[in-house]
Amino acid sequence: NAGVTQTPKFQVLKTGQSMTLQCAQDMNHEYMSWYRQDPGMGLRLIHYSVGAGITDQGEVPNGYNVSRSTTEDFPLRLLSAAPSQTSVYFCASSYSIGMNTEAFFGQGTRLTVV
Amino acid sequence: RKEVEQDPGPFNVPEGATVAFNCTYSNSASQSFFWYRQDCRKEPKLLMSVYSSGNEDGRFTAQLNRASQYISLLIRDSKLSDSATYLCVVGREGNKLVFGAGTILRVKS
Repeated sequence: NAGVTQTPKFQVLKTGQSMTLQCAQDMNHEYMSWYRQDPGMGLRLIHYSVGAGITDQGEVPNGYNVSRSTTEDFPLRLLSAAPSQTSVYFCASSYSIGMNTEAFFGQGTRLTVV
Repeated sequence: RKEVEQDPGPFNVPEGATVAFNCTYSNSASQSFFWYRQDCRKEPKLLMSVYSSGNEDGRFTAQLNRASQYISLLIRDSKLSDSATYLCVVGREGNKLVFGAGTILRVKS
């Protein structure tokens, strides 16, 4: 099983550019989410989805858009990159029902905005 | 104040030592509790869920005190391979996870 696959692994953007971070999972998980990780801050939830066609905002959604057209894919779009969006981005998936369900993470995308 | 607080460390311990990490959370509506492990420049991976009755997995023991809103992780007989960042995580409704900033453990020979 591939699990959760994120692309690209590394990216450098110029301020104002847009791009899409890709995330795909092959575990038929209903719940998918995007986090960013900054030093000393822990992972913070950007957007999440409880199923195809349903998305919602997390803790830090500004500057990001998501869509969920299929169960497998959950891309994250940066609309106009800013240096404050320099971070490591993780996509995660899990079963949506029941407590104590394990979240599986992709390998992360290291994004630098200059 | 952060919703999940952890001592950032680093904890520097010799091989074979016992080390304990603590974590507090502020949202009494939190429904599930976990410890995740994150190796340098890697993704987080589930170490263990934490139950009110306490639970053990080999050298690792986790405890939860809902009244005090406190979670702990005990690692016995530390190995070099235990060196990592340990993330305290609480789950809210809808599978939303809230992460602590992590505690760094360095086990030295």
